[in-house]
Amino acid sequence: EVQLVESGGGLVKPGGSLRLSCAASGFTFTNYSMNWVRQAPGKGLEWVSSISSRSSYLFYADSVKGRFTISRDNAKNSLYLQMNSLRAEDTAVYYCARDKAVGAYDYWGQGTLVTVSA
Amino acid sequence: DIQMTQSPSSLSASVGDRVTITCRPSQSISTYLNWYQQKLGKAPKLLIYAASSLQSGVPSRFSGSGSGTDFTLTISSLQPEDFATYYCQQTYSTPQYTFGQGTRVEIK
Repeated sequence: EVQLVESGGGLVKPGGSLRLSCAASGFTFTNYSMNWVRQAPGKGLEWVSSISSRSSYLFYADSVKGRFTISRDNAKNSLYLQMNSLRAEDTAVYYCARDKAVGAYDYWGQGTLVTVSA
Repeated sequence: DIQMTQSPSSLSASVGDRVTITCRPSQSISTYLNWYQQKLGKAPKLLIYAASSLQSGVPSRFSGSGSGTDFTLTISSLQPEDFATYYCQQTYSTPQYTFGQGTRVEIK
């Protein structure tokens, strides 16, 4: 069974940092691009970042470029999102999602809440 | 960036109704269009990919159609478990895969 489990969310002050993790199981992690998608409270979905299967390609939304860094450890079947210089508008539930290779996200984690507030 | 506009933003329907949701991108995206369902407090679930391909395990009452700048998600006979918010997503503009604003389907 495919499982994606996020962790690392929490309350952080503006300007602070947080590192999210996503533990993958039930599939060959090295075969898939992975993504982070977020959802602000009561709002819609926003793509945040993507990483190719071997970390050759990294992509970021303009809203997080220069502040967030996506990475993965294929030996540990894990995806990460390092978030620096956090702003109030980064407050959201962050989901990791698997790309089934046609740009469709076929499996999602349960999400982890990041709250940026003084 | 490609903007995705869904209509309506919300709708009320009864069990058994046929429901249609529309998604219009700001430019042509061929068939690079996916549909997701999200229930309150849960992660999104992929329903349809490449405009009309049904994701494994999704009931056949869900269908997608369209190409270019006009897409529809149809639920042929609405079931109680289908009350949720539905999002379209374009995958034409790699990797900025933008989502629509969502359509909330409520019980009438």
